[in-house]
Amino acid sequence: DAGVIQSPRHEVTEMGQEVTLRCKPISGHNSLFWYRQTMMRGLELLIYFNNNVPIDDSGMPEDRFSAKMPNASFSTLKIQPSEPRDSAVYFCASSSRVAGGLDGTQYFGPGTRLTVL
Amino acid sequence: TQLLEQSPQFLSIQEGENLTVYCNSSSVFSSLQWYRQEPGEGPVLLVTVVTGGEVKKLKRLTFQFGDARKDSSLHITAAQPGDTGLYLCAGAEVTGGGNKLTFGTGTQLKVEL
Repeated sequence: DAGVIQSPRHEVTEMGQEVTLRCKPISGHNSLFWYRQTMMRGLELLIYFNNNVPIDDSGMPEDRFSAKMPNASFSTLKIQPSEPRDSAVYFCASSSRVAGGLDGTQYFGPGTRLTVL
Repeated sequence: TQLLEQSPQFLSIQEGENLTVYCNSSSVFSSLQWYRQEPGEGPVLLVTVVTGGEVKKLKRLTFQFGDARKDSSLHITAAQPGDTGLYLCAGAEVTGGGNKLTFGTGTQLKVEL
């Protein structure tokens, strides 16, 4: 299996520009998670989807952040406009829902390192 | 917001030494997971503990879940350079939509020859 695929691996942009991060979950997984990792705040859950439907977006920091999952094999996280404080590593993870409504093991992608100048 | 505090934050030891990492919270979790993350990669799940007082062993790693399901520890025996990495605990809470993870603050471990 290819695992969770994220692109790009590195993104450098200027303040005010739109940034789109992409994620392809593991085939057959029905839950998808977006996280952000910084030295100051650690690993934070931004939003997660189940069967392509957003379940909890309480971690999305501001209206500048939006996430979509148009189908089971693709998700995007968009920041518009970007700011220097958005600089972080953004991870996508996927899992499959198991019996009892619980999610199974989350498998993380390699992350996208975003730098906003 | 539930918080998970890990200690120590940084740990640098020599090969062969033993160490313990702690993960503490004031909240109860349905389960607790431990991950290891290496530079440039995402976290990888090591173990999940579910029952209060549960102990799980993974080769030289021993994981324990507190009786009250609020805290956990990770003990490494005879550490090796390959154990170097960022160790993260994560508490799971069951919500209406699924299983939501809250990650701890992390422990950066360096094992030197």
